[in-house]
Amino acid sequence: AQTVTQSQPEMSVQEAETVTLSCTYDTSESDYYLFWYKQPPSRQMILVIRQEAYKQQNATENRFSVNFQKAAKSFSLKISDSQLGDAAMYFCAYRRNRLRLGSGNTGKLIFGQGTTLQVKP
Amino acid sequence: KAGVTQTPRYLIKTRGQQVTLSCSPISGHRSVSWYQQTPGQGLQFLFEYFSETQRNKGNFPGRFSGRQFSNSRSEMNVSTLELGDSALYLCASSQASGNEKLFFGSGTQLSVL
Repeated sequence: AQTVTQSQPEMSVQEAETVTLSCTYDTSESDYYLFWYKQPPSRQMILVIRQEAYKQQNATENRFSVNFQKAAKSFSLKISDSQLGDAAMYFCAYRRNRLRLGSGNTGKLIFGQGTTLQVKP
Repeated sequence: KAGVTQTPRYLIKTRGQQVTLSCSPISGHRSVSWYQQTPGQGLQFLFEYFSETQRNKGNFPGRFSGRQFSNSRSEMNVSTLELGDSALYLCASSQASGNEKLFFGSGTQLSVL
């Protein structure tokens, strides 16, 4: 079974600084997606960034980038130029590649425990 | 385009009662999945529906059930509520049932007293 682990329950960063959130996962599969979701106090889960395991190039979305280390099964999120609006709980998540591996019980997201990010002004 | 809409936002029930939660996906989305979020267990997958058919089910007791209608709207039902069912229930939709991005609603906060 696949598992996702976030070892940092809480992190804090000064506004305009850079912070890195850690995530490790365990799987025997070779084809999958990894995600970072943000959950602000409104409770809505917002997709921050997505990485396909087949792609070696690390994904970036504006101030957000990942460091994907497939062999080490590590998937960290770097937030540059942190803003007050970045304060939220961040979840790392895993999902099998349904299209390559066929249909079936593959669609679910497996989440880590979450990291609460505090941004100090 | 409107996002994923979940109703109600908050719900208070007592043990033994049953509850129905509703989720309206983004227009054009045919896949809906449900997740339970609790402080102790985190986020756990409940089930997924596509074109009115349940495709996947998580490891939850039979008291948890769901369905999807022809307009893609989905409901989940929990019967014989227990204190441990208190949670935030999140619904997510996607266009199809492949690798498309999931878009989440703001959830229904259920409190069981």
